[in-house]
Amino acid sequence: KAGVTQTPRYLIKTRGQQVTLSCSPISGHRSVSWYQQTPGQGLQFLFEYFSETQRNKGNFPGRFSGRQFSNSRSEMNVSTLELGDSALYLCASSPRDSNSPLHFGNGTRLTVT
Amino acid sequence: EDQVTQSPEALRLQEGESSSLNCSYTVSGLRGLFWYRQDPGKGPEFLFTLYSAGEEKEKERLKATLTKKESFLHITAPKPEDSATYLCAVPMKNQAGTALIFGKGTTLSVSS
Repeated sequence: KAGVTQTPRYLIKTRGQQVTLSCSPISGHRSVSWYQQTPGQGLQFLFEYFSETQRNKGNFPGRFSGRQFSNSRSEMNVSTLELGDSALYLCASSPRDSNSPLHFGNGTRLTVT
Repeated sequence: EDQVTQSPEALRLQEGESSSLNCSYTVSGLRGLFWYRQDPGKGPEFLFTLYSAGEEKEKERLKATLTKKESFLHITAPKPEDSATYLCAVPMKNQAGTALIFGKGTTLSVSS
């Protein structure tokens, strides 16, 4: 079974730009969660989607948004990038909900200059 | 306030030198505690789920245990390939629902 696939693996953007990251979950998994990982803050929850609906949202500004498609693939968007948005963005999928183990992709490394 | 705290932040061991990593949590109504391993440049890899106090799970040189306030990840006779960051996580409620919340991890280095 293929794992969680995230594209692209690396991105370099300039302050003020926007960026879209993509995630393909494990086949059959309907829940997709997004996390931001930085050395200082660790893994921080961004949001979770289940059956195309945002089921939960973390404490991030509205510049961070996401969506899920009917095939469970998900995208997250960050608008008006700031230097502090530089991080590893991780996507994880699970069959049901956050009480189930999450299976992570290898992330997208975003650098904002 | 619900939270997850891991200690120590970093641990250096000699090959064969056993030790334990700690994950303490404050949450009402624990609905599982998860352990993950993360290698540099990769996403976390699921190791174990523990659901109730007294439960233990083992995988090769790793054994996870759970009490009402904390979990331990015991590493017996570690090898250099066990070097990684170990993360624990607990489902916690926020205003919108339940999310898996992670501790900041313990970075383990095992030298030969």
